[in-house]
Amino acid sequence: RKEVEQDPGPFNVPEGATVAFNCTYSNSASQSFFWYRQDCRKEPKLLMSVYSSGNEDGRFTAQLNRASQYISLLIRDSKLSDSATYLCVVKRGVGFGAGTRLTVKP
Amino acid sequence: EPEVTQTPSHQVTQMGQEVILRCVPISNHLYFYWYRQILGQKVEFLVSFYNNEISEKSEIFDDQFSVERPDGSNFTLKIRSTKLEDSAMYFCASKESESATNEKLFFGSGTQLSVL
Repeated sequence: RKEVEQDPGPFNVPEGATVAFNCTYSNSASQSFFWYRQDCRKEPKLLMSVYSSGNEDGRFTAQLNRASQYISLLIRDSKLSDSATYLCVVKRGVGFGAGTRLTVKP
Repeated sequence: EPEVTQTPSHQVTQMGQEVILRCVPISNHLYFYWYRQILGQKVEFLVSFYNNEISEKSEIFDDQFSVERPDGSNFTLKIRSTKLEDSAMYFCASKESESATNEKLFFGSGTQLSVL
């Protein structure tokens, strides 16, 4: 089993839609979880850290389920500017998921 | 906001040549990383560096690769004898610490390596 696995995507959604991505991890001892966003041919940028209690930042909500070993990212009211690849990162910068491509269409 | 700086932005080299990719991490950061991303593929971890030594490396980081922090500011990745399959975008990243509040990875804008 890969260390980090993500929904393969791509996700194509209309503006205003709600979309959710999941990411599973294999190491139950993992302590640190993050969502990064990567635009085409650009460097990844931190979107959110994922805390045990879950956390919200505007339209974005991240949750952690330790029992099932996955993290999720929910985007509400999608904007065109949300179109990007979303990377799940586990284990302090070592474990990167393959990314989920999101395209938001008018 | 402070930045990680990478040079050059694009490097073209002949197969078999040595290349050195350069990075200037953020000045008060202690942890340094190299990643690569082949076009259309995922970001792949290569190596992490802390306290002047490699702390972790992936299977990709074989004997052809080495890292160095020659002075207080630069962090370099050397590929001794480049292969065609080394063509990729190479990202450097740094972070301040491994505490919960300072684990944010800052990435440079990358060096696109093209091996001909």
